[in-house]
Amino acid sequence: DAKTTQPPSMDCAEGRAANLPCNHSTISGNEYVYWYRQIHSQGPQYIIHGLKNNETNEMASLIITEDRKSSTLILPHATLRDTAVYYCIVRVANTGGFKTIFGAGTRLFVKA
Amino acid sequence: GAVVSQHPSWVICKSGTSVKIECRSLDFQATTMFWYRQFPKQSLMLMATSNEGSKATYEQGVEKDKFLINHASLTLSTLTVTSAHPEDSSFYICSARDGRTAPNQPQHFGDGTRLSIL
Repeated sequence: DAKTTQPPSMDCAEGRAANLPCNHSTISGNEYVYWYRQIHSQGPQYIIHGLKNNETNEMASLIITEDRKSSTLILPHATLRDTAVYYCIVRVANTGGFKTIFGAGTRLFVKA
Repeated sequence: GAVVSQHPSWVICKSGTSVKIECRSLDFQATTMFWYRQFPKQSLMLMATSNEGSKATYEQGVEKDKFLINHASLTLSTLTVTSAHPEDSSFYICSARDGRTAPNQPQHFGDGTRLSIL
């Protein structure tokens, strides 16, 4: 089972910041938080990941709370092309490594 | 960035046919590859994990004789759907990561293969 919970859907106005929350209350000390998104009929696209410090790249910012039990993905200026399902993931231990289990994600609608 | 190429993008075939899907990591060595399937309006479901040179580890409920996975090199994995039937119609997505550089490296995904069995 996925180790994260997210709201099923969110709306955002074009040009505004989109803030997507995620709860991961059972995360352990050395587990990273990963964010991916899936645009219709495509494979998931990696966005960003972090451990405990806030992270920023050309796509988004990731804010992780001090207790690491939740995080927020921020798209600073959402565009129509950012409409997608966004997945927040904490990987699950697997034989010889980790595996990525997807939850239901958050369906973000960016509206003109 | 890391690129994963999946081929074919679409395949339509008759019931009873076996179908092979290829997944290649183009600019990195994939020590681990993952295969997912996705039904309409659902999330991705992990089918199996394979480490290069080893047998794949299948998730509960996934038939290993039905979905044959080969990961013989660090850049190529294949999924063969044997004797496919209409209920096997789905969107199949591969993913790869290089676990040698750093354990926290993200997985990268192919663009998926839409399989339709008539």
